[in-house]
Amino acid sequence: GAVVSQHPSRVICKSGTSVKIECRSLDFQATTMFWYRQFPKQSLMLMATSNEGSKATYEQGVEKDKFLINHASLTLSTLTVTSAHPEDSSFYICSARRGVNTGELFFGEGSRLTVL
Amino acid sequence: SQQGEEDPQALSIQEGENATMNCSYKTSINNLQWYRQNSGRGLVHLILIRSNEREKHSGRLRVTLDTSKKSSSLLITASRAADTASYFCLDNDMRFGAGTRLTVKP
Repeated sequence: GAVVSQHPSRVICKSGTSVKIECRSLDFQATTMFWYRQFPKQSLMLMATSNEGSKATYEQGVEKDKFLINHASLTLSTLTVTSAHPEDSSFYICSARRGVNTGELFFGEGSRLTVL
Repeated sequence: SQQGEEDPQALSIQEGENATMNCSYKTSINNLQWYRQNSGRGLVHLILIRSNEREKHSGRLRVTLDTSKKSSSLLITASRAADTASYFCLDNDMRFGAGTRLTVKP
């Protein structure tokens, strides 16, 4: 079956540093990928929609300069948390859509970010 | 509700009992999907119900959809301890419902 790989699965960084999380579709091309963040015992909040070859569409309240999203190829989208603060500590999950519009979604295993 | 506007529900039941979880959404949909998430892990797709369907079954899962109320329910019959997880619905705008944390006690 289709697989979406996220890396790293866990990362600890110091305040002020930047952290990059990768989301790869391993056996299919994903025109669209989605990034979510999830706080403990909460639901997943959509941060942005990443389209290959174009700028990401950010949800209201999500700082685009804080969370940089790049979707440079049909199999890779990256989320960079810039100048990380402890409040950025969260679980980040990506999903990739196979096909267009109503294509099936596949989720990565998530990346847990801890900012000290 | 979407984007965590409501707190997730918590449901605790005994093994063998049925678990019913509800979801509400805001926008018009072509379909609604249900996912399961084990603690701190990724998501597993459970079932998709289309907007022209009112009920759908898959094994021990039964999903209903009421588009007039913009709500859906997921029923797990004959629950098992391994069903312990969080369950979320996902609408066409890629937004998740508040979710339900289900605990099935052995």
